[in-house]
Amino acid sequence: ETGVTQSPTHLIKTRGQQVTLRCSSQSGHNTVSWYQQALGQGPQFIFQYYREEENGRGNFPPRFSGLQFPNYSSELNVNALELDDSALYLCASSAKDRSAYEQYFGPGTRLTVT
Amino acid sequence: GESVGLHLPTLSVQEGDNSIINCAYSNSASDYFIWYKQESGKGPQFIIDIRSNMDKRQGQRVTVLLNKTVKHLSLQIAATQPGDSAVYFCAEEGGSTLGRLYFGRGTQLTVWP
Repeated sequence: ETGVTQSPTHLIKTRGQQVTLRCSSQSGHNTVSWYQQALGQGPQFIFQYYREEENGRGNFPPRFSGLQFPNYSSELNVNALELDDSALYLCASSAKDRSAYEQYFGPGTRLTVT
Repeated sequence: GESVGLHLPTLSVQEGDNSIINCAYSNSASDYFIWYKQESGKGPQFIIDIRSNMDKRQGQRVTVLLNKTVKHLSLQIAATQPGDSAVYFCAEEGGSTLGRLYFGRGTQLTVWP
């Protein structure tokens, strides 16, 4: 098991609602990346946070936003939920001065939008 | 843009046999590749990695081969065990964001006793 935790484990929302997902990074890691994993697909990069600022973004609309806190934990916020947002949301923590080798994934949050 | 794909979506092997999972990538500038294992209900778990200046790397029961000429990556699992049953993803690190990973679709490995 990695030291990365995510909450909640599962979540059901209706279309148009907003959701906040949380991630606690592994001790010593200062960077958090978020990924969306649709059923049967590989994870897709949403964005990365380093020193409380967004540091790189994938092909996701602005209604996907995030925060990173001084303790390096992070939130992913999704506004105006759509049915296609149903997926497993993964966060991964790493140390900025290292490569992706040090990137550890949490167990994910399963979001269902109805 | 980068894309990472897999040749086969499923692979079934007998316990004790060797498994080979293949992966093709498109970005010849990618410098770093990783194999992840994902079990049901869990996040991806690091297995082994390789840099572009290498063509082979071995771990415990696993070997990764990199062929830059044809942009092909493979994961070999020796003496496959039932606990190896999972979805395996290859990923490449690329783009301007350090640590940004590009994943393929994955291969479902099933090990029969």
